[in-house]
Amino acid sequence: DQQVKQNSPSLSVQEGRISILNCDYTNSMFDYFLWYKKYPAEGPTFLISISSIKDKNEDGRFTVFLNKSAKHLSLHIVPSQPGDSAVYFCAASSGGSNYKLTFGKGTLLTVNP
Amino acid sequence: NAGVTQTPKFRVLKTGQSMTLLCAQDMNHEYMYWYRQDPGMGLRLIHYSVGEGTTAKGEVPDGYNVSRLKKQNFLLGLESAAPSQTSVYFCASSYSRGQNIQYFGAGTRLSVL
Repeated sequence: DQQVKQNSPSLSVQEGRISILNCDYTNSMFDYFLWYKKYPAEGPTFLISISSIKDKNEDGRFTVFLNKSAKHLSLHIVPSQPGDSAVYFCAASSGGSNYKLTFGKGTLLTVNP
Repeated sequence: NAGVTQTPKFRVLKTGQSMTLLCAQDMNHEYMYWYRQDPGMGLRLIHYSVGEGTTAKGEVPDGYNVSRLKKQNFLLGLESAAPSQTSVYFCASSYSRGQNIQYFGAGTRLSVL
């Protein structure tokens, strides 16, 4: 039973346009969400996070939106750059066991010059 | 500024052989984790530790053992390797308080023939 779902295995966008990566979750106990970026042959690196008490968090070109009623979050990258091409993982944790993260399967983003 | 260091980076084993993967972190983190990443499966938690001398099972613990004798080190052991354990293994660590941002190593690519 997959509790964190990234239904799009891949996404391709043009440089300068917006990239929108989506993530759905089923566990209503999740209260903290993170996005990680992973380049080939490297470990995942933390990108941005959001607490369930917020509906938006912004960091430079990256913005994460959270819709708790729909159990949905999205990562917006504006403008997209070729260096953003990577696999993006959505992850979630709950306060009761906040030392564990549940990851989605990832979305491969390709930004074309 | 090493962060999380995994050794070795690559390894090829024959079925039935044993090996130990080493993870070392220099951030004084209490929590440490071992994940495996397989194509189309995202990151799956094998074992984790919430402190020196403690370990716990994650999502896919069978066939693996772990030890956390020192706070900075987390070892993952394969007693009798199987082809199904061919994967990329990632170690991560995090603080015990606040946001559970996990910091990852660069990974160990293991092939079991």
